[in-house]
Amino acid sequence: DTGVSQDPRHKITKRGQNVTFRCDPISEHNRLYWYRQTLGQGPEFLTYFQNEAQLEKSRLLSDRFSAERPKGSFSTLEIQRTEQGDSAMYLCASTQAAAGGWIYNEQFFGPGTRLTVL
Amino acid sequence: LAKTTQPISMDSYEGQEVNITCSHNNIATNDYITWYQQFPSQGPRFIIQGYKTKVTNEVASLFIPADRKSSTLSLPRVSLSDTAVYYCLVAPYSSASKIIFGSGTRLSIRP
Repeated sequence: DTGVSQDPRHKITKRGQNVTFRCDPISEHNRLYWYRQTLGQGPEFLTYFQNEAQLEKSRLLSDRFSAERPKGSFSTLEIQRTEQGDSAMYLCASTQAAAGGWIYNEQFFGPGTRLTVL
Repeated sequence: LAKTTQPISMDSYEGQEVNITCSHNNIATNDYITWYQQFPSQGPRFIIQGYKTKVTNEVASLFIPADRKSSTLSLPRVSLSDTAVYYCLVAPYSSASKIIFGSGTRLSIRP
């Protein structure tokens, strides 16, 4: 399977704990996105990377959220000191895009990581 | 940032053509219109994208009038497997961070 994969698929944690999610994009894709989706709503953009560079992070929900893509391949999203309001589906997507130029907005999404904070 | 408005839900029957309209009155000159489909417990899946007039692919057509303030996704001869949530997005092709998904349209197909 050469699609976007995410790990774990489900995570249950207690309030105050830190969690980390991993995303493996389609191998030839240079752009990687993170979204959060709550029940009944569409995905909410959080951040994205072009290769290893994080080009937009102002829409991360708080300073408890951080993301990395150290080698321009897989990415991790970390939530520190989780709160019950962080319970949601966290989606990763990837695409092939040219820096500073035309962006083909077809994003390929992974299955998501469902986070439950107790 | 362009905001989109879609019907919350729609019902139809197998074999019918379904048209879902999205309103985007504040669309900007460099905005493109994209539609995604999402099944429960899965990530969204790209359906179609366009800028103006009509775009057609193997699964859908997208109609965009000259003023571009709305768009219509047309699904020909739907089946039960087309039951899903459909999202209309409007975003500039040059800025990935301005992508905003609305609440989508929940399409239910009946036998």
